[in-house]
Amino acid sequence: AQTVTQSQPEMSVQEAETVTLSCTYDTSESDYYLFWYKQPPSRQMILVIRQEAYKQQNATENRFSVNFQKAAKSFSLKISDSQLGDAAMYFCAELEYGNKLVFGAGTILRVKS
Amino acid sequence: EAQVTQNPRYLITVTGKKLTVTCSQNMNHEYMSWYRQDPGLGLRQIYYSMNVEVTDKGDVPEGYKVSRKEKRNFPLILESPSPNQTSLYFCASSPAGRSGDTQYFGPGTRLTVL
Repeated sequence: AQTVTQSQPEMSVQEAETVTLSCTYDTSESDYYLFWYKQPPSRQMILVIRQEAYKQQNATENRFSVNFQKAAKSFSLKISDSQLGDAAMYFCAELEYGNKLVFGAGTILRVKS
Repeated sequence: EAQVTQNPRYLITVTGKKLTVTCSQNMNHEYMSWYRQDPGLGLRQIYYSMNVEVTDKGDVPEGYKVSRKEKRNFPLILESPSPNQTSLYFCASSPAGRSGDTQYFGPGTRLTVL
């Protein structure tokens, strides 16, 4: 069965600094997708970044980038130049057959001014 | 505006009183799904639907029912709610299953069962 593990329940970062959120997953599939979602206090689930497993290149979206290590089954999220608006719960998720997303438990990110 | 809507956004009810949470999407998506979010557990899939009249169980289906009679709607039914169904519920949709398409989430429904 798919499992996604986020080992950091909480992280803190100073405004304008860089922070990395960790995620590992377990799958027997060769074709899958990985996501990071952001959940601010409004509770809305917002897609941050998407990675296709068959692509070697790490995905990037503005200040957000991933370090995708397929052999190690690791998918970390790096946030550069952190802003107050980045404060939220971040979920890592994996998608396989049937479009079922399997989520990690989440990491609360606090941004200090 | 392309969106997934859920109603109600907040609901407090009592044990055993049947309720329905509605979900609707205006993007002509084939795939729809329900998740529940609980502290320390992330989001877990309850039921999903690959298309009209095609539904299947997710990881935590006990105590829930769904139907998909129209492409745009995917209601979640709790026939006899219990306190362990107190949770935050999300509906999501994507263009099609098995494609890796991004799922779009509704705003969430906070349910409390007393």
